[in-house]
Amino acid sequence: AQSVAQPEDQVNVAEGNPLTVKCTYSVSGNPYLFWYVQYPNRGLQFLLKYITGDNLVKGSYGFEAEFNKSQTSFHLKKPSALVSDSALYFCAVRDVRGSSGSARQLTFGSGTQLTVLP
Amino acid sequence: GAGVSQTPSNKVTEKGKYVELRCDPISGHTALYWYRQSLGQGPEFLIYFQGTGAADDSGLPNDRFFAVRPEGSVSTLKIQRTERGDSAVYLCASSKGGSGTVEQFFGPGTRLTVL
Repeated sequence: AQSVAQPEDQVNVAEGNPLTVKCTYSVSGNPYLFWYVQYPNRGLQFLLKYITGDNLVKGSYGFEAEFNKSQTSFHLKKPSALVSDSALYFCAVRDVRGSSGSARQLTFGSGTQLTVLP
Repeated sequence: GAGVSQTPSNKVTEKGKYVELRCDPISGHTALYWYRQSLGQGPEFLIYFQGTGAADDSGLPNDRFFAVRPEGSVSTLKIQRTERGDSAVYLCASSKGGSGTVEQFFGPGTRLTVL
């Protein structure tokens, strides 16, 4: 079984400061990892993904994430936060090793509410 | 181009009634997914279609839930004998093919309230 943990329900950061939203995962094989953002009354928007290769992945809106296999983590980062980054962030995992249809499903964490203070 | 659309955006029904939720995926996307998101939680997988067939329905909670995609495009999630515990936001997503590497694109969801 695959699972994701987002240990922080809420993260507050001042505008202009760096931000980190934490994610750890558990899969049987190798993971495909994703970050999505959800604004109020809107669907989830894809930010970035790790499939293979470079451990540092760059995505939309200046976000990046670092894959750390030994720590089974995929933390989301941004060097300088904006007030407009305030939203609900979800980490998701998919197990590479699955060969059946169930391999296609994403397993999501419970989300982290990011608030960037002006 | 147009994204994933879902109708209705809100649905209020009474316990025991039947409801249908519709999803219109991005044109050309062969894979379609349904998820359910309860308050304060991440989305939970319900069912995955590749083309017209349900490739994985392991997330459907019980036999009151059923989904179809008869022509490989639009999908309908059907819930019989609704219960108050079915209240949630139902999300639909689509992707190009069913490869595990591709990202899924989500619709805005249908908020279902069972009174």
